[in-house]
Amino acid sequence: QVQLVQSGPEVKKPGASVKVSCKASGYSFTNYGLSWVRQAPGQGLEWMGWIIPYNGHTNYVQKFQGRVTMTTDTSTSTAYMDLRSLISDDTAVYYCARTIVATMTIPSFFDQWGQGTLVTVSS
Amino acid sequence: SYVLTQPPSVSVAPGETARITCGGKNIGGKSVYWYQQKPGQAPLVVYDDSDRPSGIPERFSGSNSGNTATLTISSVEAGDEADYYCQVWDSSSDVVFGGGTKLTVL
Repeated sequence: QVQLVQSGPEVKKPGASVKVSCKASGYSFTNYGLSWVRQAPGQGLEWMGWIIPYNGHTNYVQKFQGRVTMTTDTSTSTAYMDLRSLISDDTAVYYCARTIVATMTIPSFFDQWGQGTLVTVSS
Repeated sequence: SYVLTQPPSVSVAPGETARITCGGKNIGGKSVYWYQQKPGQAPLVVYDDSDRPSGIPERFSGSNSGNTATLTISSVEAGDEADYYCQVWDSSSDVVFGGGTKLTVL
């Protein structure tokens, strides 16, 4: 069955970086996109951007540009999300989500999700 | 930027019908997706544009016209209590989520 298994919780100090991994199994990794969505405590869902493992194309929400890097390792079917210069407002659960591709540059929706990784930013 | 507006909460008695709305400019011309999120769990897609994913009960249905999309849950059960989010893709804003609606089963 399709699974997305994420790395464990992280506690970081302001200004630090965090790298969250998402290992996919049960499907062809390069046939879908991979998005990252975060959810601050008690808040709604916020899409951060996505990557197309087939060709490495990325699209980041402007809010995160310059601070986030999304990559994939197709040999291990693993996606990574690197977020730098952390602030307290980055405290959230970060989800990876398999993304149905509408066109080669347009995401459609998210049909499978990882279990989430809690990132806490605190001094 | 494109904005999706959902009511913060909807309450319904067991066995009744719940309707959760998602407002957006000309949303009727877009594909709308609905997610259910229970406490401590990842979201789960319950309706994608005009179809129900495999495993989702027929009690879940959707409609979309004009400036409002609606997720309808008929014969509501206690297990349907959750937060529900709508989502679209927009050329000016990329992926957009609504603010979420908490469904309470009385």
